[in-house]
Amino acid sequence: EAQVTQNPRYLITVTGKKLTVTCSQNMNHEYMSWYRQDPGLGLRQIYYSMNVEVTDKGDVPEGYKVSRKEKRNFPLILESPSPNQTSLYFCASSPGRGYEQYFGPGTRLTVT
Amino acid sequence: SQQGEEDPQALSIQEGENATMNCSYKTSINNLQWYRQNSGRGLVHLILIRSNEREKHRGRLRVTLDTSKKSSSLLITASRAADTASYFCAPYNDMRFGAGTRLTVKP
Repeated sequence: EAQVTQNPRYLITVTGKKLTVTCSQNMNHEYMSWYRQDPGLGLRQIYYSMNVEVTDKGDVPEGYKVSRKEKRNFPLILESPSPNQTSLYFCASSPGRGYEQYFGPGTRLTVT
Repeated sequence: SQQGEEDPQALSIQEGENATMNCSYKTSINNLQWYRQNSGRGLVHLILIRSNEREKHRGRLRVTLDTSKKSSSLLITASRAADTASYFCAPYNDMRFGAGTRLTVKP
């Protein structure tokens, strides 16, 4: 089954404790991206990747890192999480930019 | 950056009625996509319309595109309670989304 998986689905952590949210797709898609969703603000893009080893900032990249060492994986790293990063995070993939995106189920992160 | 702005922010209708939501954008596009999000879940792609198309249908969905007005509309006919969700448009290939339209269909 074609899908995008994210782990963990729920995470409660404390300020400053490094964490990684994994994202994996099995569709051989070149384009992957991360979004955060906050009430009233819609989805805002954090980072995106056009292909392996090619990443670029979205609209709200501060406080986040990503890497794309393999085509299928695109982890999101929070080196020092802060409470303002409490949000619902989505990973998405598509064959290329501008094509239909497939979204993961989301990761609900709470930073206390 | 390019993103769509959906209107209205919220829409409440009775089952069986039609629901129309609109999307406006600012610059030229190659295509525009509509997505649906059930509460707290990932977005699901509904339909893509290209800049040289004026209208597209998929089941009970009808999407129109007016490039001269830089706007698109999504019509859901004969709505059902299961259509309750948020709807987002994404113009061109910037993969950016607005705040969406929250549709509530009352049984």
